[in-house]
This record gives sequence, C-alpha cells and structure tokens, in this order.
Amino acid sequence: DAKTTQPTSMDCAEGRAANLPCNHSTISGNEYVYWYRQIHSQGPQYIIHGLKNNETNEMASLIITEDRKSSTLILPHATLRDTAVYYCIASGLSSNTGKLIFGQGTTLQVKP
Amino acid sequence: DAGVIQSPRHEVTEMGQEVTLRCKPISGHNSLFWYRQTMMRGLELLIYFNNNVPIDDSGMPEDRFSAKMPNASFSTLKIQPSEPRDSAVYFCASRPGASNQPQHFGDGTRLSIL
Repeated sequence: DAKTTQPTSMDCAEGRAANLPCNHSTISGNEYVYWYRQIHSQGPQYIIHGLKNNETNEMASLIITEDRKSSTLILPHATLRDTAVYYCIASGLSSNTGKLIFGQGTTLQVKP
Repeated sequence: DAGVIQSPRHEVTEMGQEVTLRCKPISGHNSLFWYRQTMMRGLELLIYFNNNVPIDDSGMPEDRFSAKMPNASFSTLKIQPSEPRDSAVYFCASRPGASNQPQHFGDGTRLSIL
C-alpha cells in the first residue's frame, strides 16, 4: 500500500472551509484514497473515499489531482465538532485485502 | 442500523489474567478486522477475517494473542496471559464483501492491565 504524507496539525476557523492535504506520490492505479477521522476516545469514523474522480457526500468533498499523487479533503463549513485527527490512507486491491494502514494523521483544531 | 458493537467498553484486570474482547460486526459484512491503538504505535492492524476465515494475522504480536470468528456475527480477541504492555484501546471493524468498500469501526475496548 502507498505511503501517505500529511501535515501534523492544522487550525481552521469555525464556519470556514477546512482543506486537509495529503500526498500519496507512490499510489498505484488500483489503490483508493480513504479518509477517516478520529474524535478523542472514539473509533475511527469513515468520511469518504475515491479512486480517480472527485467525490462528495454529506460530510465532505474529496479532490484528487489528475496524476493521483495528492488529494485534498474539504469540510465546507467546519464546526467545533469537526475537531479530530484526520487520516488519509491509500489502499487497494493489489494485495486483495484492502487493508488500512494508519499513519499519524493531521490534527485539525477548529477554533471559534 | 446498528454499527459494529464491541464489549466490554472498558476492562481492567491484573497481569496474568485471561482477557476476552468481543465484537459483533455489521450484519451482512463479511470481512472483520481487529486493530490496537497505543500512543507509541498508533493504530495497528492485528488480524483480519474474510468469510469467518483468518486471512492475515501477521500483526498479532505474539502467541499470547488469539482471535476467532466462529460465525458471521461474532468474533473474539483473546489475550492469555495478559501483560501490562497489552494495555491499549482495541478496535473492531467490519466491511462489506468488496475490498474497496470502507471499513466501519466500533467504539473500542479500553484495556488496562495492572
């Protein structure tokens, strides 16, 4: 599975868009990009995933660059409850498992 | 819909005791994963099952750890004998059949070995 690189921490003002970057320059063609978040003491929560195309759901948008070497998770209107550790994971079918390997993630602090 | 259900939520026991953690996956999901989270090592995959069969247990730390999935709706992770370094939060996750589908996690079991 491809290694991902994320900033250690970010701040965002409440009500503004939070844009969380992720680099996955060694991603292979059949690997998806997954985003999870973990709020303190809870289990990781699935947010969104994609392969090539940009994706949007009720929680967030995922923008994947054309060369697929990086992506951005967008929380359109961040709230205090979005304060969490956000994990970007590249995982795929090559090993026929879709295992998730969690890195250190980005700690997003949403401030009033 | 019910999510992944883990029990107990908290467990405190003395070293040397047997510990059993339980997980009920989401109905219809046929892949199940056990993870461990510590401050030092982050989230680590211990073992995963597909259709009740263990597929990859390379993350299981040592022979003191064992996991079973006797049927599609139940799995256990057992530690015997337990040691203080096993203290961690243990998460269970499940996923539908297709391996590109996301995993969904339970709320975890916080284990403290004294």
